[in-house]
Amino acid sequence: NAGVMQNPRHLVRRRGQEARLRCSPMKGHSHVYWYRQLPEEGLKFMVYLQKENIIDESGMPKERFSAEFPKEGPSILRIQQVVRGDSAAYFCASSPWGAAEAFFGQGTRLTVV
Amino acid sequence: DQQVKQNSPSLSVQEGRISILNCDYTNSMFDYFLWYKKYPAEGPTFLISISSIKDKNEDGRFTVFLNKSAKHLSLHIVPSQPGDSAVYFCAASGAGNQFYFGTGTSLTVIP
Repeated sequence: NAGVMQNPRHLVRRRGQEARLRCSPMKGHSHVYWYRQLPEEGLKFMVYLQKENIIDESGMPKERFSAEFPKEGPSILRIQQVVRGDSAAYFCASSPWGAAEAFFGQGTRLTVV
Repeated sequence: DQQVKQNSPSLSVQEGRISILNCDYTNSMFDYFLWYKKYPAEGPTFLISISSIKDKNEDGRFTVFLNKSAKHLSLHIVPSQPGDSAVYFCAASGAGNQFYFGTGTSLTVIP
């Protein structure tokens, strides 16, 4: 049973470009969480999704950021018109049901140049 | 608003001694708590959890204690080993089911 898979591991984007981060949850897991870790900071909750539904997006910046978890395929975190401040490690986690321990992927390190 | 706080950014302990990592939370609706361990350039890995109906949970060298009245939990590692050196995050969850993480404590176990 493969773990949570995130790709790419490293992503470099120029200011103004779009970044797409993918997360394939563990088999059988229908709950996906996205977190961001800025340098020298902890993990900040961004969004919680179940299949085809956004349950809680209270941690998402109101502009430029969006997330989806379609019926088929991975969850996608999309950042439009990236700025230098978006540079961070983005982690995805999945769980079989809410409030169970979540399993994390290895993260995508986004660098905006 | 940081609902889960880890006030010690770092901790150093001699090998074989006890490591105690602390975590405080502000939201009384949290009812499930977890500890994660993170190595550099890797995702966090689940370590141990506790629900609010318990005040202690033990798994090998790792024990988590929960004091609901103080809104405080701690992770004890006994005996500490060099391989335990990592960043430890506590996390809390309530009815909303998302997890809120603390800012982490970097543990260094000195051989």
